[in-house]
Amino acid sequence: DAKTTQPPSMDCAEGRAANLPCNHSTISGNEYVYWYRQIHSQGPQYIIHGLKNNETNEMASLIITEDRKSSTLILPHATLRDTAVYYCIVRVDLNAGNMLTFGGGTRLMVKP
Amino acid sequence: GAVVSQHPSRVICKSGTSVKIECRSLDFQATTMFWYRQFPKQSLMLMATSNEGSKATYEQGVEKDKFLINHASLTLSTLTVTSAHPEDSSFYICSAIRTSGNNEQFFGPGTRLTVL
Repeated sequence: DAKTTQPPSMDCAEGRAANLPCNHSTISGNEYVYWYRQIHSQGPQYIIHGLKNNETNEMASLIITEDRKSSTLILPHATLRDTAVYYCIVRVDLNAGNMLTFGGGTRLMVKP
Repeated sequence: GAVVSQHPSRVICKSGTSVKIECRSLDFQATTMFWYRQFPKQSLMLMATSNEGSKATYEQGVEKDKFLINHASLTLSTLTVTSAHPEDSSFYICSAIRTSGNNEQFFGPGTRLTVL
């Protein structure tokens, strides 16, 4: 699976959009971009994933660049409960059933 | 959505004792489950892949005789930390892959193990 690079930490004001970047310059054509987050002392929670097109769900939006070498997770209106470590993971085919390899992630601190 | 539970949520034990952690998929069947370990302020590290009805596959550096994994049914995998030592104190997290549908992976809430 391709390696990802994320900033170790970010701050965001409550109510503002949080934009979390991820670089995955060695991504292969069949690899998806997944985002998970982990609130302190809890298990990781799935947020969103995508292959080429931008994706949106009730939690967030995922913007993938045209060359697929980077992506941005957007939390449109961050709340204090969004404070967590956010992991960007690139892995092969959705149906492969393979494990997820977690990098360092970005520790997002939402401040009042 | 699919739910994965872990029991216990936290455990404190004496050095030298064994501790069993259960991981259950509550509303789906899981042929494959994973066990991760997370030390403070670090990321999750995969320990082993647990496959129903067969032996677990351990990652390099993880002692299979110390971390016993049993996946006897499609909804339950157990991790037993044998002869626990203080350095085994960690946050243990399991995940389960739903075998029907798109093989999406769901995580348990984690088990905090403290070895005195």
